[in-house]
Amino acid sequence: EAQVTQNPRYLITVTGKKLTVTCSQNMNHEYMSWYRQDPGLGLRQIYYSMNVEVTDKGDVPEGYKVSRKEKRNFPLILESPSPNQTSLYFCASCLKGPNSGNTIYFGEGSWLTVV
Amino acid sequence: AQSVAQPEDQVNVAEGNPLTVKCTYSVSGNPYLFWYVQYPNRGLQFLLKYITGDNLVKGSYGFEAEFNKSQTSFHLKKPSALVSDSALYFCAVRHTGFQKLVFGTGTRLLVSP
Repeated sequence: EAQVTQNPRYLITVTGKKLTVTCSQNMNHEYMSWYRQDPGLGLRQIYYSMNVEVTDKGDVPEGYKVSRKEKRNFPLILESPSPNQTSLYFCASCLKGPNSGNTIYFGEGSWLTVV
Repeated sequence: AQSVAQPEDQVNVAEGNPLTVKCTYSVSGNPYLFWYVQYPNRGLQFLLKYITGDNLVKGSYGFEAEFNKSQTSFHLKKPSALVSDSALYFCAVRHTGFQKLVFGTGTRLLVSP
């Protein structure tokens, strides 16, 4: 089954404790991206990757890191989480990128709470 | 600025009645428009998209959307609502300058029995 898989789905952590949210897709997509969803703001892009070893900032990259060492994986790293990073996070993938008109597929989301 | 507006935070409709969830957009160049649905504790599920061609697009679960270029709108519709359609709906447009989707703030649809 074609899917985007995120882990963990739910996490409560403390300020400053490094964490990684993993994302994996099994569709051989070139494009992957991370978004965060906050009430009243919709979804905002954090980082994206057009292919292996190619990453770029989105709208809200501060406090986050990403890497794309393999085509299928695109982990989101919070080096020193802060309470304002409490949010619902979505990983997404697409064959060639949004400007191609290809459908973007999203994972089931990761609820992150930073206390 | 390229943007999407969903003017209604919530839409209430009775089961069996038609439903409309509104979306307007502002984008330079040709718009690629998408609708996604988010059920409680579930991810974003793709419903339908408009890239080019027929202005009436049919999608999953009986939903359809009409692209109106003159009104810059892409309203989501369904002829007969189900209680199970209750969810959060997002409209999105591709940003022509960057590799991303621009999302609206979402509309909560509540279908009452």
